[in-house]
Amino acid sequence: EVQLVETGGGLIQPGGSLRLSCAASGFSVSNNFMHWVRQAPGKGLEWVSVIYSGGGTYYADSVKGRFTISRDNSENMLYLQMNSLRVDDTAVYYCTRDRERRHDAFDVWGQGTMVTVSS
Amino acid sequence: DIQMTQYPSSVSASVGDRVTITCRASQGISSWLAWYQQKPGKAPKLLIYDVSSLQSGVPSRFSGSGSGAEFTLTISGLQPEDSATYYCQQANSFPRTFGQGTKLEIK
Repeated sequence: EVQLVETGGGLIQPGGSLRLSCAASGFSVSNNFMHWVRQAPGKGLEWVSVIYSGGGTYYADSVKGRFTISRDNSENMLYLQMNSLRVDDTAVYYCTRDRERRHDAFDVWGQGTMVTVSS
Repeated sequence: DIQMTQYPSSVSASVGDRVTITCRASQGISSWLAWYQQKPGKAPKLLIYDVSSLQSGVPSRFSGSGSGAEFTLTISGLQPEDSATYYCQQANSFPRTFGQGTKLEIK
């Protein structure tokens, strides 16, 4: 079964760091474009970052320089290292993948992990 | 960045009705348009990709159309389980952007 499971969310103070993990099963993260998408409480969806199958990365301006996306091919894991966290980073964070070989829509989503940035 | 404008922001309809949601891109995005359904507390679910292609397992009452910069999601024969928020999303370029969402209420 194709599945994504996120972990690592929690309550963190402004300026702190957190690493989110996403365990993939049923497919290889290394062969896909993998993304993080977030949703602030009561708000819409916001794309955060992508790691291409070739290893390149891209970030939303709102997180550039603070967040780092990475993957471990041997463990079939996706990560999001979040530094210098701000109150407005509070959101549910989803990992998701592009449709294989098409990169045109997110067809598999995790259940999400909540990150709360507050003092 | 490509801005996606969705309307209406909310709509209320009855079981059996037909509902149309519109999404406009700030520039042409060819066929790189997807639609998602999200229910409270759940992850989004892909409904339609490439403007009009139905994702596997999605009921045929969902359909998409459009081209260039204006697109529509139509739900024909509304069912109670269609109550959700719907988002459009462009995959033409990064950053991928979503519409602000349309909340569909079933009367």
